Parts: sequence; structure tokens; C-alpha cells
Amino acid sequence: GDSVTQMEGPVTLSEEAFLTINCTYTATGYPSLFWYVQYPGEGLQLLLKATKADDKGSNKGFEATYRKETTSFHLEKGSVQVSDSAVYFCALVSYNTDKLIFGTGTRLQVFP
Amino acid sequence: EPEVTQTPSHQVTQMGQEVILRCVPISNHLYFYWYRQILGQKVEFLVSFYNNEISEKSEIFDDQFSVERPDGSNFTLKIRSTKLEDSAMYFCASNLDREGEKLFFGSGTQLSVL
Repeated sequence: GDSVTQMEGPVTLSEEAFLTINCTYTATGYPSLFWYVQYPGEGLQLLLKATKADDKGSNKGFEATYRKETTSFHLEKGSVQVSDSAVYFCALVSYNTDKLIFGTGTRLQVFP
Repeated sequence: EPEVTQTPSHQVTQMGQEVILRCVPISNHLYFYWYRQILGQKVEFLVSFYNNEISEKSEIFDDQFSVERPDGSNFTLKIRSTKLEDSAMYFCASNLDREGEKLFFGSGTQLSVL
């Protein structure tokens, strides 16, 4: 079945460092891809999305590009802030369904 | 900004007891969901609910689980006889339509079964 694999955390960075969180997927057809973020004590929030190959999703300085050839959707940010500390989830929705399939989540800790 | 509200934030229960997890979705939303995350594992889909009936459920959602929208505002998940392996964070979500990017999640209920 469809699945999402994320790099294990925690990822620990200093402020202003470059961030990459890897995500790869397995799916039949052409899924939509998402990154969700969960700040401490809050629900899952949509961070960005991409619905077709070569699309780039972006929000709050984060970016991810839908790479069909490598079945990847890696999350990047050029300069992280302490306020970016959270758990990040990669997810997909397959064609003709509204069921999200998540990765395990990656905890990001940014220190000043 | 509208939000999905879940109560309680933390529930502790004895094995074999019934628990009800409560959610108040966003008021004009039509599609409702429960997901769960066992510690260290993936967030897993449990069930989707639309037009007062289950539209899809996972293999996890067996006869011990049920959902209900009793009064047009609350959306509940009931576990009839809890097992140790039901310990997890349970997330409620709601959506205006079936587009995944418009899904709103609650902050979760941490269920601990002792």
C-alpha cells in the first residue's frame, strides 16, 4: 500500500542554519504531497503542499519540491529560527481518496 | 482563526473500561476524521465520517470503536473496552470538503490505558 518514510529525529540545529528533512513516498498513481507541522501543545497544521510533479510548495520560508523521479518531497529552509522548533510530518493523499497517510514525524530543535 | 477543539487533552483509564473522546469540529465543516499516533509510530487514519455515516475506516477501526455526531456540533470516538495497545494520541480533524489541504486538526487527546 501507499506509505511515507521520513528521516528520524531529532534534528538539532543552531539558529540560522540550513534545514533539510528528507521524505520519500510509495504510491500508486500521482498522490498529492503535504508537510504538516505540530508546535508544542497544538494540533497539526498544514505547512505546504504540492499536487503534481515538479510543483514547489512554499510557506514561511520553507520549501519542498515534488520529485516524481526520486519519489521525494524533502523539506528545506535556508535559515531556521528558534520558533521553528516543532515536529514536522510528511504526508500524502492518493487519488480519489481524502485519507492522509503520514510519516512518523521529525522533531526539529533549534537553539539560539 | 477557526479551530477544532478536543477534550480532554489527557485521559487515563483502566484496561477494559469504555472511553469517549470528544471533538468539536469547525462549525460549517462537513467531513470529520479520527487519526491516532502511537508513541514513536506513524500517524494512522482511523475513520472518516460524512452525512452522519462512516465513509471509510481502516483495519484498526474494529468493533471496539464507534463514532457519533450526537448533536450536530460534537463528534465523538468511543472505545468500548480499552486495551493497553489503544494508548496513543488521538487527533480529530474536520474539513469543508474532501480536499486534503483544507483539513484542520485538533491538538489531540493523549489516551493512556493502564
